[in-house]
Amino acid sequence: DAKTTQPNSMESNEEEPVHLPCNHSTISGTDYIHWYRQLPSQGPEYVIHGLTSNVNNRMASLAIAEDRKSSTLILHRATLRDAAVYYCILRDFNQGGKLIFGQGTELSVKP
Amino acid sequence: DAEITQSPRHKITETGRQVTLACHQTWNHNNMFWYRQDLGHGLRLIHYSYGVQDTNKGEVSDGYSVSRSNTEDLPLTLESAASSQTSVYFCASSGRGSIGADTQYFGPGTRLTVL
Repeated sequence: DAKTTQPNSMESNEEEPVHLPCNHSTISGTDYIHWYRQLPSQGPEYVIHGLTSNVNNRMASLAIAEDRKSSTLILHRATLRDAAVYYCILRDFNQGGKLIFGQGTELSVKP
Repeated sequence: DAEITQSPRHKITETGRQVTLACHQTWNHNNMFWYRQDLGHGLRLIHYSYGVQDTNKGEVSDGYSVSRSNTEDLPLTLESAASSQTSVYFCASSGRGSIGADTQYFGPGTRLTVL
């Protein structure tokens, strides 16, 4: 499976936008880019995913570089509840199913 | 509402005992997964199943087994518990088969302590 690289931690102020980067220079043409997050003492939850085009949903936006070697998860207005570990994961659309988690980025949000 | 549940939520056991962790989902999903999470680590895949009677080993399967007799349940068994298996265990399910865009839904976790 192709690897992803994320910063270990980031800080944000409440109600400000947050840009969480992910590098995946060995991504293949059949890899989806998925983002999950894990709130303290909870199981992970799905955030968003994309293949080539930028994606928006009620939780976040996903910006994918034109060469697909990097992506950015955007939280438009961070809240205290967004403090979590964010995981960027590549998934081959021919294999599906299992997720291979990296270390993720721990996001802290200051009031 | 459909959901995924795990039981027990907390368990303490002794080295050498057999332990079974339950996972039940009402999403009617074909795919089910077991992960473990240790302090300072991300989640690691133990076993997974793509349907009834199907089971597959993940990256850390030694000492664990699963069986899938119906769509709703994937129990995880530790045949002889070891202290190294002290961890938080998460079960997950997803709806699609071999398509990489499917979303996984996670249970609340089981905290297992092996003394």
